Amino acid sequence: DGGITQSPKYLFRKEGQNVTLSCEQNLNHDAMYWYRQDPGQGLRLIYYSQIVNDFQKGDIAEGYSVSREKKESFPLTVTSAQKNPTAFYLCASSLDAGTSNEQFFGPGTRLTVL
Amino acid sequence: GNSVTQMEGPVTLSEEAFLTINCTYTATGYPSLFWYVQYPGEGLQLLLKATKADDKGSNKGFEATYRKETTSFHLEKGSVQVSDSAVYFCALFDAGNNRKLIWGLGTSLAVNP
Repeated sequence: DGGITQSPKYLFRKEGQNVTLSCEQNLNHDAMYWYRQDPGQGLRLIYYSQIVNDFQKGDIAEGYSVSREKKESFPLTVTSAQKNPTAFYLCASSLDAGTSNEQFFGPGTRLTVL
Repeated sequence: GNSVTQMEGPVTLSEEAFLTINCTYTATGYPSLFWYVQYPGEGLQLLLKATKADDKGSNKGFEATYRKETTSFHLEKGSVQVSDSAVYFCALFDAGNNRKLIWGLGTSLAVNP
C-alpha cells in the first residue's frame, strides 16, 4: 500500500535534547511538508521541500531543521532552541508543488517535552 | 495576502441533522479550494476539492461549491452521522503567487446519537 509513515507515534524528550521525527513516503511524490498542530491554531508550516536536496523555511522554522537526501524521506529535527516544542507534528507529501497540490498526510507524531 | 476564514467551533449536532460549516477566503489569483477532515488522533485526509469557480466538490455525502462572487466554499451535508465527528479544515492553494496551502483554523464537529 502506498502512503506516508511517521514514527514514532508518541515521543517524549527532556528539555535541552534534540530529537528527530521520521517521515517516509512511497508515493513517488516530489514535494514534502512538515506541519505543527496546536489546539485552536490549525496547521502551521515548518519546512517544505519541492525536490531532493532542496528545502525552504515555512512560517515557523525557528528551532527546527530538516534534510532531504532521498526522495522518500524528509526527517525533522526539533532542536533545543525550539522554545515550546510540545505539539502534534504532521508530515505530508504531494505529487509536486506546482499543481493543485492535494496533500497526503501521515498519522502524526505527538511530541511531549518533559 | 491569501487567507482562509472558517466558522468557529465546536459544532454539536444530533444524528441526521443538516450540517453547514462556513469557509470564506481571500486570494489574489484563482485558487483551488479544499476541505480536509481529521479524525481523532489521526492525520488529515482530503475530503473534497474544487479547482475553478462554480465547481462542486463532493464525497461521502459532503458537498461544497466554489463561489467566486462571495469568495466562499461552505461545506454541507444533508444528514450527519456519529462517524462524521471530526475536525474539518478549509484550505486554498494559489499556484500563481504562493505554492503553499493556506489553512483555516479548523472546525470541530461532534455528532450525538
